Amino acid sequence: GNSVTQMEGPVTLSEEAFLTINCTYTATGYPSLFWYVQYPGEGLQLLLKATKADDKGSNKGFEATYRKETTSFHLEKGSVQVSDSAVYFCALSDDTGGGNKLTFGTGTQLKVEL
Amino acid sequence: SAVISQKPSRDICQRGTSLTIQCQVDSQVTMMFWYRQQPGQSLTLIATANQGSEATYESGFVIDKFPISRPNLTFSTLTVSNMSPEDSSIYLCSVGVSAGGKTQYFGPGTRLLVL
Repeated sequence: GNSVTQMEGPVTLSEEAFLTINCTYTATGYPSLFWYVQYPGEGLQLLLKATKADDKGSNKGFEATYRKETTSFHLEKGSVQVSDSAVYFCALSDDTGGGNKLTFGTGTQLKVEL
Repeated sequence: SAVISQKPSRDICQRGTSLTIQCQVDSQVTMMFWYRQQPGQSLTLIATANQGSEATYESGFVIDKFPISRPNLTFSTLTVSNMSPEDSSIYLCSVGVSAGGKTQYFGPGTRLLVL
């Protein structure tokens, strides 16, 4: 079956530090990959996505590249801000069978301090 | 994208009672989904709500406990029945849009506490 593995948190960084949150996946077929962000007390927001191998998704300074050879979709940002503090979820969508179901990782909490 | 609203945003309920959560989207969508997020956990899909047909439930979730309605292409409800403290969670609806509905957008969630 499909699965997503994320690095455990919390990840604590100083403002302007470089961020990497690792994500690897196992899937049948050719999944689409997503990063969602959940700010405290809120729902999930789509941060970025990639639908095929070697695609790079980017948004708000975050980026992730779909690496089929390593089955990875690591999230990076060059300079984090306090406002980036949130929980980040990696997910895949595999429409095998027409279900379009999302499989989520466990989430990684990011804390950015001044 | 899509703009999704949920009602109520939060509630505190007594065990044994039921709560119906509403999900409204600003455009017609084929696929709507209901998820549960238990405290400090990731999201688990409860069911896929299809307009004009019965919802499709994931393993571990049953219609008697989580009945779902999907009367049209912009609205769905999820009922949490005969609640117990273990049902305390965030319940989120999402819609599938873009090519083939592969990209899902989420509502703000309903925070439920069962005493």
